[in-house]
Amino acid sequence: EPEVTQTPSHQVTQMGQEVILRCVPISNHLYFYWYRQILGQKVEFLVSFYNNEISEKSEIFDDQFSVERPDGSNFTLKIRSTKLEDSAMYFCASSESGRGQPQHFGDGTRLSIL
Amino acid sequence: GENVEQHPSTLSVQEGDSAVIKCTYSDSASNYFPWYKQELGKRPQLIIDIRSNVGEKKDQRIAVTLNKTAKHFSLHITETQPEDSAVYFCAASGLTGGGNKLTFGTGTQLKVEL
Repeated sequence: EPEVTQTPSHQVTQMGQEVILRCVPISNHLYFYWYRQILGQKVEFLVSFYNNEISEKSEIFDDQFSVERPDGSNFTLKIRSTKLEDSAMYFCASSESGRGQPQHFGDGTRLSIL
Repeated sequence: GENVEQHPSTLSVQEGDSAVIKCTYSDSASNYFPWYKQELGKRPQLIIDIRSNVGEKKDQRIAVTLNKTAKHFSLHITETQPEDSAVYFCAASGLTGGGNKLTFGTGTQLKVEL
């Protein structure tokens, strides 16, 4: 069964540095998402992406964050000037089409800001 | 925006018993309701979903019911087994926003005891 893959599995970064989290969505999927889960809390929506542009973003997704699909397979989340509170598990997800379609999650990247 | 509440936060059942987890949502425009199972340190895994044109859906030991009037939906697991132990999240997705974002509940820690 096709899966969403994410790299790295764990990223440790000094506060103030920039990080790039990478995702390879399922190949025939058209919608891509990033979610965040702080340890022990619920999953929170960050951003959705379709047709090479952001289709929706949450209040969390401010100017510190950006997303990009640099080629035909990768989908990246960039976090600039990282803060301690950015420490969380970041999940990428994809769906075949839009509303009402199942979103499949990757294994996540655990981001630790020191 | 959408708000999803989930109860209970923890649930312990004996192996073989049934487990019920309940969620309420606030946005009457929401029309897609998935349930995810998350084992410790793992990805959220879609286990069942329901759309607003359906009142009930069943897949082997798992069933979901939806009451659009009351804006609540429930997950039912019958004949529970130790491997059902995990955190379960409900979610809702609607017509607003354009991006198909999922709004998650706060999760239910299910423990199936031998």
